[in-house]
Amino acid sequence: GDSVTQMEGPVTLSEEAFLTINCTYTATGYPSLFWYVQYPGEGLQLLLKATKADDKGSNKGFEATYRKETTSFHLEKGSVQVSDSAVYFCALTDNAGKSTFGDGTTLTVKP
Amino acid sequence: EAGVAQSPRYKIIEKRQSVAFWCNPISGHATLYWYQQILGQGPKLLIQFQNNGVVDDSQLPKDRFSAERLKGVDSTLKIQPAKLEDSAVYLCASSTGPSGANVLTFGAGSRLTVL
Repeated sequence: GDSVTQMEGPVTLSEEAFLTINCTYTATGYPSLFWYVQYPGEGLQLLLKATKADDKGSNKGFEATYRKETTSFHLEKGSVQVSDSAVYFCALTDNAGKSTFGDGTTLTVKP
Repeated sequence: EAGVAQSPRYKIIEKRQSVAFWCNPISGHATLYWYQQILGQGPKLLIQFQNNGVVDDSQLPKDRFSAERLKGVDSTLKIQPAKLEDSAVYLCASSTGPSGANVLTFGAGSRLTVL
């Protein structure tokens, strides 16, 4: 079946540091790829998505590019803020709408 | 628009007892999902409904878990009897349809502790 592998956390960075969270996937067919975020005390919410190869999703300064050749969807941000502290989940959704999630990466940003 | 509503937010029960969770999706969302999220893991799909029909329940432990979505709107997830390993957050999510590109909107979750 489909699977998603994220880099293990936790990740601790200083404010304004560069962030990369790695995500690779295994899937049959051509899934859509997503990053969801869970801020402390809140529910899971969409951060960004890409629906086909070479698409770049972006939101709130975060970016991720759908790389079919390396089956990857790495999340990046050039300069993180304390408010970016959260748990980040990489996910894929197949054409039937079934979503598979990674185990999440906890990011802590220190001032 | 109103979000996905879930209740109760927290529930503590003894093993072998039963529990039920309720979900009200975003109005007009045809697809509804129940996920189980164990601490330190990502959400795992239990069941997917399209309107009031089941699309995928392959990972639902049917000997103890059941779910229904009457009239294609609200849904309930029941566990009977509960086991210790059922301790988790149960997430309800909805989307406009089963397309892979559609975004899931999640509720706040129902945290179950089985003692």
